Amino acid sequence: GNSVTQMEGPVTLSEEAFLTINCTYTATGYPSLFWYVQYPGEGLQLLLKATKADDKGSNKGFEATYRKETTSFHLEKGSVQVSDSAVYFCALSDWGYQLIWGAGTKLIIKP
Amino acid sequence: DGGITQSPKYLFRKEGQNVTLSCEQNLNHDAMYWYRQDPGQGLRLIYYSQIVNDFQKGDIAEGYSVSREKKESFPLTVTSAQKNPTAFYLCASSPGQGVNQPQHFGDGTRLSIL
Repeated sequence: GNSVTQMEGPVTLSEEAFLTINCTYTATGYPSLFWYVQYPGEGLQLLLKATKADDKGSNKGFEATYRKETTSFHLEKGSVQVSDSAVYFCALSDWGYQLIWGAGTKLIIKP
Repeated sequence: DGGITQSPKYLFRKEGQNVTLSCEQNLNHDAMYWYRQDPGQGLRLIYYSQIVNDFQKGDIAEGYSVSREKKESFPLTVTSAQKNPTAFYLCASSPGQGVNQPQHFGDGTRLSIL
């Protein structure tokens, strides 16, 4: 069946460092891919999405490229801020109603 | 503004008591979902509903019940049969079936045992 695997956290970085959070997936067909962010005590917010191979989703300085050849959708940001500290979830959507979720990666940014 | 409203934000349950968590959306979405999140963990699907008067069990439905009498509302009841209900509960909605359908989330309800 479909699945999503994220790198384990926590990931701890200094402010202005480069961020990569790895996400790989297993799916039949051509799923859409998403990154969500959850700030402490809050619900999830859609950060970015990509609907087909080679699409690049971007928002708030974050980017992720849908790589079908490596079945990956890694999240990147060139210079992180303390306010980026949160939990990040990778997810995929096929033709069903459900999203398939990764386990989440906690990001801690130190000043 | 359109969105999903969950209430209450915090809820306490006594032993043997059923409690109901409210979820209302004004996004005109067909599908709605309930997730459970334990500390430091990912999301686990409890129930979901594709249309009014229809719903399906998710991965961890035991000890929970839902109803979908109106398109806007999808309440979740945590019954006394759920022996470990302490968790953060998230409600979500999406326009409908198919790819390219992100889910939109409420701010969650934190349930604790007294």
